[in-house]
Amino acid sequence: KAGVTQTPRYLIKTRGQQVTLSCSPISGHRSVSWYQQTPGQGLQFLFEYFSETQRNKGNFPGRFSGRQFSNSRSEMNVSTLELGDSALYLCASSWSGGGAISEQFFGPGTRLTVL
Amino acid sequence: QQQVKQSPQSLIVQKGGISIINCAYENTAFDYFPWYQQFPGKGPALLIAIRPDVSEKKEGRFTISFNKSAKQFSLHIMDSQPGDSATYFCAASGAGGGNKLTFGTGTQLKVEL
Repeated sequence: KAGVTQTPRYLIKTRGQQVTLSCSPISGHRSVSWYQQTPGQGLQFLFEYFSETQRNKGNFPGRFSGRQFSNSRSEMNVSTLELGDSALYLCASSWSGGGAISEQFFGPGTRLTVL
Repeated sequence: QQQVKQSPQSLIVQKGGISIINCAYENTAFDYFPWYQQFPGKGPALLIAIRPDVSEKKEGRFTISFNKSAKQFSLHIMDSQPGDSATYFCAASGAGGGNKLTFGTGTQLKVEL
């Protein structure tokens, strides 16, 4: 099976712009979670989508949003970019049937740099 | 509020030695504890995971020890190899949080020849 894919791998934006990142989960996986990784804050949970519904949300401002499509692919959007949004954005997919916790597999991430 | 504390921050081990990384959690509702390995430029890769109904789980050279009463768990890497040099993260989930993982701060492991 192909792993989790994320596009683009690298992005450079300027303050105030918005950005959209994409994630394609492993075939058959219905849950997609997003994480932000920075040297200072480590790995922090953004949100999780399951069957096109946001199931859980972390403590990030409303500038961070996401959605999931019927084929389980997911996108996250960050509006009005700030310098502090520079980070590696990771997507993780899992089967997550029946509400049980299941193994999560991460993609390679999108490296976002805000200038 | 940091709910998963990880130590040490960095670790240097000789080839063939045992690497030990420790984590402690606060939320007693956590019921799934995975360890991830991350190489530079890559996403975290799932190494091994444990649930609180067992005290130890072994997969190859990797072992998780779990102490429910102390709310602690640890990763042991036996016969450490230079290829094991990476950053290791413990994590926890549960408490009705779906698949939300709360991560430790990471341990940078270097295995020297």
